Amino acid sequence: KQEVTQIPAALSVPEGENLVLNCSFTDSAIYNLQWFRQDPGKGLTSLLLIQSSQREQTSGRLNASLDKSSGRSTLYIAASQPGDSATYLCAANSIGGGATNKLIFGTGTLLAVQP
Amino acid sequence: DGGITQSPKYLFRKEGQNVTLSCEQNLNHDAMYWYRQDPGQGLRLIYYSQIVNDFQKGDIAEGYSVSREKKESFPLTVTSAQKNPTAFYLCASSDVGNTEAFFGQGTRLTVV
Repeated sequence: KQEVTQIPAALSVPEGENLVLNCSFTDSAIYNLQWFRQDPGKGLTSLLLIQSSQREQTSGRLNASLDKSSGRSTLYIAASQPGDSATYLCAANSIGGGATNKLIFGTGTLLAVQP
Repeated sequence: DGGITQSPKYLFRKEGQNVTLSCEQNLNHDAMYWYRQDPGQGLRLIYYSQIVNDFQKGDIAEGYSVSREKKESFPLTVTSAQKNPTAFYLCASSDVGNTEAFFGQGTRLTVV
């Protein structure tokens, strides 16, 4: 059964710092891995989707990498800003899930960027 | 604007009542999903549908029911059989195939 873990659970950094959020998954048989952002009391906003055949994806100041063999993905945020403060969630779409996009979520990393 | 609309934003349920959460999408996606989010836990899949008039149970379907009569709509009913319904409910949609999933803004359900 696929399990997804995110470390750390919470992170506080000063504005301008580059940072890395970690996501690990137990079953490497995945279709893709998706990173989301969630603001308090809100829904999820899709940030990046990495297909299993890809190594990384970039969008603006965000870069996500995927290493299936080690069961890891990282989300790199460059030059962090206070507006980046939110909870970041990763979700693995497992081949054994039996359905398209039966995403298995981690519990998230709560990021606070201090001005 | 294309997107997913969930309503209401807040919902209060009395003991023994059934309540229905609405989810509508105009993204022309075939697949739709319902997730439940509890504090300190990851999102868990309740039900999903890949085509009109068909749906499948997710990991925590007990006490919930759904229908998929139209491509754009996937309402979730929380029945009185759900013993701990207080949670944040999120609806999502995607194309069939391993594509990007998009989420609505959520409905917070509270039992009073």
